[in-house]
Amino acid sequence: GAVVSQHPSRVICKSGTSVKIECRSLDFQATTMFWYRQFPKQSLMLMATSNEGSKATYEQGVEKDKFLINHASLTLSTLTVTSAHPEDSSFYICSARVSRQTNYGYTFGSGTRLTVV
Amino acid sequence: GQSLEQPSEVTAVEGAIVQINCTYQTSGFYGLSWYQQHDGGAPTFLSYNGLDGLEETGRFSSFLSRSDSYGYLLLQELQMKDSASYFCAVHSFNKFYFGSGTKLNVKP
Repeated sequence: GAVVSQHPSRVICKSGTSVKIECRSLDFQATTMFWYRQFPKQSLMLMATSNEGSKATYEQGVEKDKFLINHASLTLSTLTVTSAHPEDSSFYICSARVSRQTNYGYTFGSGTRLTVV
Repeated sequence: GQSLEQPSEVTAVEGAIVQINCTYQTSGFYGLSWYQQHDGGAPTFLSYNGLDGLEETGRFSSFLSRSDSYGYLLLQELQMKDSASYFCAVHSFNKFYFGSGTKLNVKP
């Protein structure tokens, strides 16, 4: 089946530093990738939608200068958390739609648990 | 905007049937999906309803009523491994927005 590989799975960084999270579609082309954030025991909140070759669109309330998204190829999208602070500690997950023929099934990366100390 | 409501927690015994309801308010509605998420893991796709009615996939079924802005996930023959959080998600303008999740506890 379709797989989205997300790295790193866990990262601890110091306040003020930047962290890059990568999502790669391994056996399909992901023209659109979605980025979510999930706090403990809460729902997935859509942060932004990235489209290959164009600027990402951000949901209301998400700082685009803080969460930089790049989707330079059909198989790679990256999220960079810039100048991270402890409140950015969360579970970040990417997702891509596999195919129009799969009932709009979206496959998720395995997630990145970010801890900012 | 979008709003989805689902129960926060449900408990059932092994072998039983459980129904998790989801009501939603959204514009540009295309369909309703269900996802399962075990603690510490990523969500996995269970089902999608684009049209009214029941979709059956093995032990899991999902129902949608667009006129009532309502859907449910039905889990039959519950197993211990079904203990997880279940999220409904509305498909709206080519994006998915998730409900708050229902934690299902399956007891022996």
